[in-house]
Amino acid sequence: QQQVKQSPQSLIVQKGGISIINCAYENTAFDYFPWYQQFPGKGPALLIAIRPDVSEKKEGRFTISFNKSAKQFSLHIMDSQPGDSATYFCAASRSNTGKLIFGQGTTLQVKP
Amino acid sequence: NAGVTQTPKFRILKIGQSMTLQCAQDMNHNYMYWYRQDPGMGLKLIYYSVGAGITDKGEVPNGYNVSRSTTEDFPLRLELAAPSQTSVYFCASSYTTGQGNSPLHFGNGTRLTVT
Repeated sequence: QQQVKQSPQSLIVQKGGISIINCAYENTAFDYFPWYQQFPGKGPALLIAIRPDVSEKKEGRFTISFNKSAKQFSLHIMDSQPGDSATYFCAASRSNTGKLIFGQGTTLQVKP
Repeated sequence: NAGVTQTPKFRILKIGQSMTLQCAQDMNHNYMYWYRQDPGMGLKLIYYSVGAGITDKGEVPNGYNVSRSTTEDFPLRLELAAPSQTSVYFCASSYTTGQGNSPLHFGNGTRLTVT
């Protein structure tokens, strides 16, 4: 019930294309869903986050879509750039627990 | 502004040895966390702390110990190192529970190999 499943494990996209990464969760008590971006040799950094009271959140080229009934959420990167090449992690947690449960990660490569 | 500082960056241990991974933050955050990252497995929470003197187990606490004597420092202790503890360890901190406007701030990790 604590798992967050992420797919695909790796993704190759051409510059200018759309990158889509999907996550599914089991615990209906989760109410906070962030995405973290990690570059090689660095720690993850928060990219964008959503709560289940909205179905979509957009920040620049990055959009989270959230489907509460299906217990799924996804990250869309529009106009993907080589600088977006990184590992992306979805995560989920319950309010006030501080315990983020991470997905397995997706390594994104954007080809010039 | 240093943020979250982890030392050492790399370490090789022999089976059965012990070591302490150091973590310090200068943001006056009350919450601190230890995660391990293994290929294809994401990040798993080992221990976390909501303030000085208070610690609790995460998903994978076996083989590790922590202490939190100050707000700034949150060391992770490995006793009797085993090959299964070969991993990259990340320390993180946040002002509150790591939600909303209080994201987790991660250090750059310690890469540990146990042989």
